[in-house]
Amino acid sequence: GQQVMQIPQYQHVQEGEDFTTYCNSSTTLSNIQWYKQRPGGHPVFLIQLVKSGEVKKQKRLTFQFGEAKKNSSLHITATQTTDVGTYFCAGPVRNTGNQFYFGTGTSLTVIP
Amino acid sequence: DGGITQSPKYLFRKEGQNVTLSCEQNLNHDAMYWYRQDPGQGLRLIYYSQIVNDFQKGDIAEGYSVSREKKESFPLTVTSAQKNPTAFYLCASSIGHRSYNSPLHFGNGTRLTVT
Repeated sequence: GQQVMQIPQYQHVQEGEDFTTYCNSSTTLSNIQWYKQRPGGHPVFLIQLVKSGEVKKQKRLTFQFGEAKKNSSLHITATQTTDVGTYFCAGPVRNTGNQFYFGTGTSLTVIP
Repeated sequence: DGGITQSPKYLFRKEGQNVTLSCEQNLNHDAMYWYRQDPGQGLRLIYYSQIVNDFQKGDIAEGYSVSREKKESFPLTVTSAQKNPTAFYLCASSIGHRSYNSPLHFGNGTRLTVT
């Protein structure tokens, strides 16, 4: 069953507003990865977090990995129309033979 | 350019027919995966292969079959036993089956419609 949940499922923001999506796993993840899927496209890898409590930044995007390695967040500052898409977290769950479990995704709409 | 090629982009089949989706990669990756994407449900793992001639079931393997005779190729067959086959199918690969830290590279996907 689904082991990685994301909230919210959908988010509409005005251009320039901030956006955050949260990812929660029922089990510990050895690492967590974030992907972005543009409408009609395929998921594209954004970043990977490995260490407990790790924080990484990519321009306006800030990624965090929880201390217990069971949750993560992606925060976008001052959204732009190019940020539109669905953001997924994913992680290989221990003792499942490196199965990557994807979160349910958060679909972001940016209103110009 | 290295990458993953899925073909065809769109596929239409009648109910009761088996259909095979192609996935080829020239990234020299050991591991390959098949995911199914339905609206609002994210990506669900169908099958994965960590090495040639070996593959394991994911969460939703029923009604699907795969083969991994070559490192570059991981075709997925959607059989007539799959109750709801209409979906967007994504193939992916990663560097090595023992590398928990390697990101997935996805193909452009195949949108299958069964009527």
